[in-house]
Amino acid sequence: SQKIEQNSEALNIQEGKTATLTCNYTNYSPAYLQWYRQDPGRGPVFLLLIRENEKEKRKERLKVTFDTTLKQSLFHITASQPADSATYLCALTDSSYKLIFGSGTRLLVRP
Amino acid sequence: GAGVSQSPSNKVTEKGKDVELRCDPISGHTALYWYRQSLGQGLEFLIYFQGNSAPDKSGLPSDRFSAERTGGSVSTLTIQRTQQEDSAVYLCASSPQTGVQETQYFGPGTRLLVL
Repeated sequence: SQKIEQNSEALNIQEGKTATLTCNYTNYSPAYLQWYRQDPGRGPVFLLLIRENEKEKRKERLKVTFDTTLKQSLFHITASQPADSATYLCALTDSSYKLIFGSGTRLLVRP
Repeated sequence: GAGVSQSPSNKVTEKGKDVELRCDPISGHTALYWYRQSLGQGLEFLIYFQGNSAPDKSGLPSDRFSAERTGGSVSTLTIQRTQQEDSAVYLCASSPQTGVQETQYFGPGTRLLVL
């Protein structure tokens, strides 16, 4: 069955460092991969989308990579700030409208 | 410039009761989704509406769950004879149109607790 794995353990880093979050998937051939941010008590907020034929996508301090051979996406936040503390969800879709979400990784940025 | 709104924000109910959850999508958005998020889990797709097309109900976990969308705008998710395992956050999202590259705009969710 299709499976998306994100590290369930919280990532705890020092302010100013680069945070790297991982999303692995199996039994799936996604055409698109999206990353969302979710704060406690709130709905997810879209951050970035990357297509299967794109290796990398950047937006300000954010960078996403997509390796269809490794079946993995990496999400980087450079020069991290305490305000970046949140849960980050990856979501995949093939050729339909359905997004399949991972369970998310919680990021804690210490001041 | 209102976003997606959901009501109620919190709902506590007794096992066996019916509940209705409401979603107001962003004006003009034709696609509407319902998801369920259990504690520490990812989002579980429930149902999808697109314009006047028949909804995709493939994610509804049982026949106790149903949803409708009136006039292509507001949607209501109904859970009949609630069970304790129905306790979760129910999230609604909308997008301008169907397309795999369309991002989804989420509401704040309704936190349902079944006692």
